Amino acid sequence: AQRVTQPEKLLSVFKGAPVELKCNYSYSGSPELFWYVQYSRQRLQLLLRHISRESIKGFTADLNKGETSFHLKKPFAQEEDSAMYYCALLSNDYKLSFGAGTTVTVRA
Amino acid sequence: DAMVIQNPRYQVTQFGKPVTLSCSQTLNHNVMYWYQQKSSQAPKLLFHYYDKDFNNEADTPDNFQSRRPNTSFCFLDIRSPGLGDAAMYLCATSRNLQGGEQFFGPGTRLTVL
Repeated sequence: AQRVTQPEKLLSVFKGAPVELKCNYSYSGSPELFWYVQYSRQRLQLLLRHISRESIKGFTADLNKGETSFHLKKPFAQEEDSAMYYCALLSNDYKLSFGAGTTVTVRA
Repeated sequence: DAMVIQNPRYQVTQFGKPVTLSCSQTLNHNVMYWYQQKSSQAPKLLFHYYDKDFNNEADTPDNFQSRRPNTSFCFLDIRSPGLGDAAMYLCATSRNLQGGEQFFGPGTRLTVL
């Protein structure tokens, strides 16, 4: 069975500082990894996926199969980045498993 | 604006009193999902429909049922809610099973008294 672990429940950074959200997974197959985000009073939405290898809103994430990690990074955090972030894994049976989420607060 | 709509946003029911949560979509997606999310926990998949094909997760209690009368609507029925069923219930859709991009509704927060 697959598992997604986000070790940090809360993360607080200052505006302009780098931010990194950790995500580790366990899965015997070939995973597809995603980051979803939920801004205050908004619905959960896709932020980025590893296969796209793109930067969204300044965020990037690299899949490291050796370390079974998919950490989310942004070099300069902005106040509008304050949100709840969920790492998710799509298994070969097309089910999405979410981590418990990390709440990010960016302080001015 | 194409979207996923959930009604009601807040639902209060009594212990053991059946309750139905509603989800509709204007995206014309093939797949509709129901997740349960308890406080500070990950969303947990209960079941999904691929078109009319129903797929139940192995650990979803029998107390939870679902109906999808047409492409646009999907319902979550809780036959005899217990206190442990109080949670946020999220509906989501996707074009197909592959891809992993799911579109979520705002959720229905269920309180059981």
